[in-house]
Amino acid sequence: GNSVTQMEGPVTLSEEAFLTINCTYTATGYPSLFWYVQYPGEGLQLLLKATKADDKGSNKGFEATYRKETTSFHLEKGSVQVSDSAVYFCALSDRGNQGGKLIFGQGTELSVKP
Amino acid sequence: EAQVTQNPRYLITVTGKKLTVTCSQNMNHEYMSWYRQDPGLGLRQIYYSMNVEVTDKGDVPEGYKVSRKEKRNFPLILESPSPNQTSLYFCASSLSGRTRGETQYFGPGTRLLVL
Repeated sequence: GNSVTQMEGPVTLSEEAFLTINCTYTATGYPSLFWYVQYPGEGLQLLLKATKADDKGSNKGFEATYRKETTSFHLEKGSVQVSDSAVYFCALSDRGNQGGKLIFGQGTELSVKP
Repeated sequence: EAQVTQNPRYLITVTGKKLTVTCSQNMNHEYMSWYRQDPGLGLRQIYYSMNVEVTDKGDVPEGYKVSRKEKRNFPLILESPSPNQTSLYFCASSLSGRTRGETQYFGPGTRLLVL
């Protein structure tokens, strides 16, 4: 079945460091790919998405490119801030008969120190 | 403000005592679903609904029930909770559940502890 694998956390970085969180997926067909972020004590919110191969999603300085050849959707940011501390989830959805179901990775906790 | 609301936010209960977690959205979305979040497992879908009176099982439906009598509401029912249902629960909604790349909107979560 479809699945998503993320790099394990927690990830601890200093402010202004470069961030990469790896995400790879297994899927039949052509899924859409998402990054959701969960700030402490809050629900998940969409950070960015890509719906086809080679698409780049971007938002708030974060970027991720849909790589079909490597089945990856790695999240990057050039300079992290303390306010980026959160749990990041990679997810996919497909067009199967289960509608809008998202399949999530296990989440990666990011802690940014001043 | 467009949002998904859940109540209660925190709940401690005992094994076997029926409980309901409410979920409501004000965006006129057709698709709603429930997920549970457990450490190391990410979020897993419990049940979903494509529209009023249309519900179906997700990946981990055992021990849960849902109903969709109105478009805006999608309560999650635990008729006889057990300790393995201790978890963080999220309700989510999206426009139709049928469109590629559709964004899902999540509620703030309900943290449940079953003793």
